[in-house]
Parts: sequence; C-alpha cells; structure tokens
Amino acid sequence: QKEVEQDPGPLSVPEGAIVSLNCTYSNSAFQYFMWYRQYSRKGPELLMYTYSSGNKEDGRFTAQVDKSSKYISLFIRDSQPSDSATYLCAMSAITGSSNTGKLIFGQGTTLQVKP
Amino acid sequence: DSGVTQTPKHLITATGQRVTLRCSPRSGDLSVYWYQQSLDQGLQFLIQYYNGEERAKGNILERFSAQQFPDLHSELNLSSLELGDSALYFCASSVAAQMNTEAFFGQGTRLTVV
Repeated sequence: QKEVEQDPGPLSVPEGAIVSLNCTYSNSAFQYFMWYRQYSRKGPELLMYTYSSGNKEDGRFTAQVDKSSKYISLFIRDSQPSDSATYLCAMSAITGSSNTGKLIFGQGTTLQVKP
Repeated sequence: DSGVTQTPKHLITATGQRVTLRCSPRSGDLSVYWYQQSLDQGLQFLIQYYNGEERAKGNILERFSAQQFPDLHSELNLSSLELGDSALYFCASSVAAQMNTEAFFGQGTRLTVV
C-alpha cells in the first residue's frame, strides 16, 4: 500500500464548476500538507500549503486537512480552462534525527476544465 | 520561472550508457532534492543534499549517484542505463534542510533510454 493515495482521474468538468480533489494517507506522522499543480511538461508548482488540520483559502482555492480521517482535499471554485493540469498532493513529517521533511507525493489527478 | 535551472531539458541515450543531469538551485537555497517522475510511479524522492552534504536518501538505485558542489549546484549521475530509467528527473530547492514549507521545482530533464 502506498503511503499517499490519489485517484489519477482523469477528471473532466465544465467551466465554472466546483472541483474537488482528494488524497488519503496512512502515515499519521505527516504534519505538512501541500498541493502542487503541474502543467504538461513543466515542473510542479506549489499551490497551497497547510500545517496540521484545518482549512486554508487562497482566492478560488481551498485546502482542507482532516488528520483524524487521514484525508486531505483541494477545492477549486469557478474552475477555468487554465486550471487544466495535473494536481499532486504532497505530505511530509519531521522524523527523528534526519528531520528532512522530504515530500511524499500522491500519483496526481489530471483535471480538464472544458470551456 | 521558479529560479531552479536544470540542464539539459531533453536527453536521449542508449542502454548501458552514463549521463549527468545538472541542477542550479534558486539563489540562497541550500537544499537540493532530486525526484524521478514516471507514468506508473509518480514523483519518487531520490536524494537530498544540504549545503554540500548528503542529507537523505530515498528510492535511489545503486547505479545512480549525486553530489552538491561548493557553489551549491548539484549533479545526478545515472550509469548503466536501462530502458526503465526513462523518466522525467526533477530537481527542487529550498532554503532550509526541510522541505516542509516551500520548495521550488525546476522544469525537469526528460531522459529517454533507447
């Protein structure tokens, strides 16, 4: 079983729809949760960052973390064709002496927003 | 533009060969991370360097090695290449030793082994 599970999709929605992207994880030590957006043939770009549980909003994007359920979500309101990309969840934990906090990524969900 | 520069952008080579991928981190960033992205495995952490020293290893094969130089640029060496090594290789950098906050990714090197 992978540490982080994410449905690869693809997910296709009409312009203006609310998009919900989700990840589940198994490692209860994860404390830092991020969402990256990756356009085709480009490097991942950090969208949202959340520490521990709770919600965070940034414009049309809202990130939610439910540590009790080991479940995180990214909501995109009023989706636009320019939002079409692959969305990757990523998580890290401070572990022992190494303390690297390296990111463990989900598989990524491909989103297409149709005009 | 993230400020992280990777060269080359594309690389095609034959099985059994050796290649070197290069990464220049953002100005001021001390940590460099290498990731491999393939269709079936997603983004897999390979190795991290912090201020010239190896800090963490992930799923890096023995045929692969890396180093970070005094000017903080890093190189990933891949040897005895196999078809299965074909993937996108990303470098990321961050200020601190941890990747917990903001890490910036380069545009990647697409490696094709034929």
